[in-house]
Amino acid sequence: DAGVIQSPRHEVTEMGQEVTLRCKPISGHDYLFWYRQTMMRGLELLIYFNNNVPIDDSGMPEDRFSAKMPNASFSTLKIQPSEPRDSAVYFCASSSQGFQETQYFGPGTRLLVL
Amino acid sequence: AQSVAQPEDQVNVAEGNPLTVKCTYSVSGNPYLFWYVQYPNRGLQFLLKYITGDNLVKGSYGFEAEFNKSQTSFHLKKPSALVSDSALYFCAVRDRSTDSWGKLQFGAGTQVVVTP
Repeated sequence: DAGVIQSPRHEVTEMGQEVTLRCKPISGHDYLFWYRQTMMRGLELLIYFNNNVPIDDSGMPEDRFSAKMPNASFSTLKIQPSEPRDSAVYFCASSSQGFQETQYFGPGTRLLVL
Repeated sequence: AQSVAQPEDQVNVAEGNPLTVKCTYSVSGNPYLFWYVQYPNRGLQFLLKYITGDNLVKGSYGFEAEFNKSQTSFHLKKPSALVSDSALYFCAVRDRSTDSWGKLQFGAGTQVVVTP
């Protein structure tokens, strides 16, 4: 299995630009999660989906952030407009359904907003 | 509500010595507990988990963890540390009774430094 795939791995953009991060979960997984990691705030859950439906987006910092999952094999996290404080590593993770199931993480996208 | 505490920001250990990374948790029901490791510029890698049964859980790379319900702890251990074990370690908990049953609560992480 290829694991969770994220693209791009690195993104450098200027303040005000739109940024789109992409994720392909492990085939057959029902849950998809978007996390953000920073030195100051650690690992934060932004939003998660179950069977392509957003379940909890309470971690999304503000309206500039949006996430979609149009099908079981693809999700996007969009920031529009981007700001320097959005600079972080963004992780996607997926898991099967069930309390005992393990979340498997992608390699992350390192975002730098200038 | 569920929460996880990793009381040590950093643990320093000499190669060959035992390694312990501490984790305590708080949940309203029974917990599922996980340990992950993150190497520099990489994603989180799953090490082991406690679901039920034997309180001593064995995982990848020679790591193990002991679930202690009375102390609400799930400490990660390795009998003999390697320099390559130097990384950031995360403990995570999921409360079986929560409605938001997809969510994992992660600790702040503990940086492990193993010196030759």
